[in-house]
Amino acid sequence: GAVVSQHPSWVICKSGTSVKIECRSLDFQATTMFWYRQFPKQSLMLMATSNEGSKATYEQGVEKDKFLINHASLTLSTLTVTSAHPEDSSFYICSALAGGYEQYFGPGTRLTVT
Amino acid sequence: QKEVEQDPGPLSVPEGAIVSLNCTYSNSAFQYFMWYRQYSRKGPELLMYTYSSGNKEDGRFTAQVDKSSKYISLFIRDSQPSDSATYLCAMKRKTNAGKSTFGDGTTLTVKP
Repeated sequence: GAVVSQHPSWVICKSGTSVKIECRSLDFQATTMFWYRQFPKQSLMLMATSNEGSKATYEQGVEKDKFLINHASLTLSTLTVTSAHPEDSSFYICSALAGGYEQYFGPGTRLTVT
Repeated sequence: QKEVEQDPGPLSVPEGAIVSLNCTYSNSAFQYFMWYRQYSRKGPELLMYTYSSGNKEDGRFTAQVDKSSKYISLFIRDSQPSDSATYLCAMKRKTNAGKSTFGDGTTLTVKP
């Protein structure tokens, strides 16, 4: 299957700082990528849909100024958590659409804000 | 009411058992059906992907879709301890920008 990578896999940052997470489709081009958040023992919560060359579409309740998404190329989308606070600590997962219907996930990034 | 309801579990079975994981949905616009496996602290892995009603087999895994009943299942034959994970069903409309709607997941433990 198609491979999606994420970097970093784990990051610790201090409250008030910003953190950037990268999502790359390694062996296919993805015009559409998704960003999810997952709390322990809970399902995936879609945060936003990222489309190459255009603005991201955010789900209701997700602060677009806090979670900045940039889909600069057909293989790279980034999520920047700005002015992070402890409540932003979570597992962030990206996914990419291959061929329009099949969705492949990255390994996830664990963010801890102290 | 959620669009996708998944049997909550957790499920614990002995090694070698046949496992049945199930989801129901309410929106007849869902046309594509997926099953993902997620190990702890990892991203979900696509296991099966189906479009039409009926069965699709891949090794020890069989995905079953019944659109008339709005019901999908994943069967695991000869379950192994390595199958222990959370299984997520997901569904997608033909349009809607490719977004999938996920079930809450069923955690499976296969005991040796």
